Amino acid sequence: QSALTQPASVSGSPGQSITISCTGTSSDVGSYNLVSWYQQHPGKAPKLMIYEVSKRPSGVSNRFSGSKSGNTASLTISGLQAEDEADYYCCSYAGSSTFYFGTGTKVTVL
Amino acid sequence: QVQLQESGPGLVKPSETLSLTCAVSGYSISSGYYWGWIRQPPGKGLEWIGSIYHSGSTYYNPSLKSRVTISVDTSKNQFSLKLSSVTAADTAVYYCARVGIVVVTATHFDYWGQGTLVTVSS
Repeated sequence: QSALTQPASVSGSPGQSITISCTGTSSDVGSYNLVSWYQQHPGKAPKLMIYEVSKRPSGVSNRFSGSKSGNTASLTISGLQAEDEADYYCCSYAGSSTFYFGTGTKVTVL
Repeated sequence: QVQLQESGPGLVKPSETLSLTCAVSGYSISSGYYWGWIRQPPGKGLEWIGSIYHSGSTYYNPSLKSRVTISVDTSKNQFSLKLSSVTAADTAVYYCARVGIVVVTATHFDYWGQGTLVTVSS
């Protein structure tokens, strides 16, 4: 089993919407509605943005939303803002209390 | 507010054992949840190392399982990571985190420490 697959980079202009994909297998993303997403600014610890595919923790902007179809999960950022420029990682439960992270996506606000 | 803080040597020699501790405040480990370790090599992505349930049950990344030991000390409200036979490939920022749960299933990492850089070099 290897890391979940994400695009290396995604970019958009302020105000636009972007979507980051996260592709796994039928053993992880496809089997459980337990995908989470993390935002990481340079030199900082990751921050939980979405859990259980589409739930937002308290304090996270509703501009962030998550979904899943088959073996692929997605994170959508709407109304893109300069502060959203960061690295984003997906993570999936893979059974027996194990996890796999995605390869990471660098989001650039043009 | 749950807070986590990693501590340990920043430099470890090849073939030796890396040891880190995560001190938890704002929540009693013995009350529940899983507690985990994640690492990030410089310029690379995140990798889950392993987790421990408050009862002491452990779960490890299959790729690291033979070298990893995670333990918990509820009296000190902290948990620890040991990684043996380290090489330069183990150089990374190591994070500790609380693992959120649904009933008893670990689901996501909701609180993170700030991370500590461990370099493996002679």
